[in-house]
Amino acid sequence: DAGITQSPRHKVTETGTPVTLRCHQTENHRYMYWYRQDPGHGLRLIHYSYGVKDTDKGEVSDGYSVSRSKTEDFLLTLESATSSQTSVYFCAISKGDRQDRETQYFGPGTRLLVL
Amino acid sequence: GNSVTQMEGPVTLSEEAFLTINCTYTATGYPSLFWYVQYPGEGLQLLLKATKADDKGSNKGFEATYRKETTSFHLEKGSVQVSDSAVYFCALSGGNTPLVFGKGTRLSVIA
Repeated sequence: DAGITQSPRHKVTETGTPVTLRCHQTENHRYMYWYRQDPGHGLRLIHYSYGVKDTDKGEVSDGYSVSRSKTEDFLLTLESATSSQTSVYFCAISKGDRQDRETQYFGPGTRLLVL
Repeated sequence: GNSVTQMEGPVTLSEEAFLTINCTYTATGYPSLFWYVQYPGEGLQLLLKATKADDKGSNKGFEATYRKETTSFHLEKGSVQVSDSAVYFCALSGGNTPLVFGKGTRLSVIA
């Protein structure tokens, strides 16, 4: 299994509070991704990173920011959480070669509830 | 833009039944195609993939063939087991773009 951990695994917070989710990898992969999973929507890409300090927006980036100061860590921040951000969040990584970049390896997920 | 459409579930089958989950795609160029599986309480795992037309991906008894003429990548298994109960996602990648996923199909296999 790819070495990907996410923390916390579960979180309950209140509307309007900031929340940071952490993804940590031990594979030294170049690409890292944040997705959210919601019933009826499958997985939707929030943001991704193609290197240290290099990030780009995905399909549903509004209300989220990311940072990557080290290869192994990719942080997802909800500046002011809303109930619509209640979801399961998955981190994923991929190597960065043209072919291998397309195979992504997923973390165990973080279940976030915003009250 | 790129998109994936897969059959809606849930799909309920008896053990040893034949499984087909349909997946069609829209993409420019020559995408790679994937099936991922998500077991209860876990993240997604790559099940199989195909990177060019007519390629067949296979793993754990599952197969899918990349059909460019019908823009399809249907997942099949000849004899399902209870342990195959999971959510299955079809996905595509256009090379320099991140993966685009279908909405997922939940499979329940009963003994």
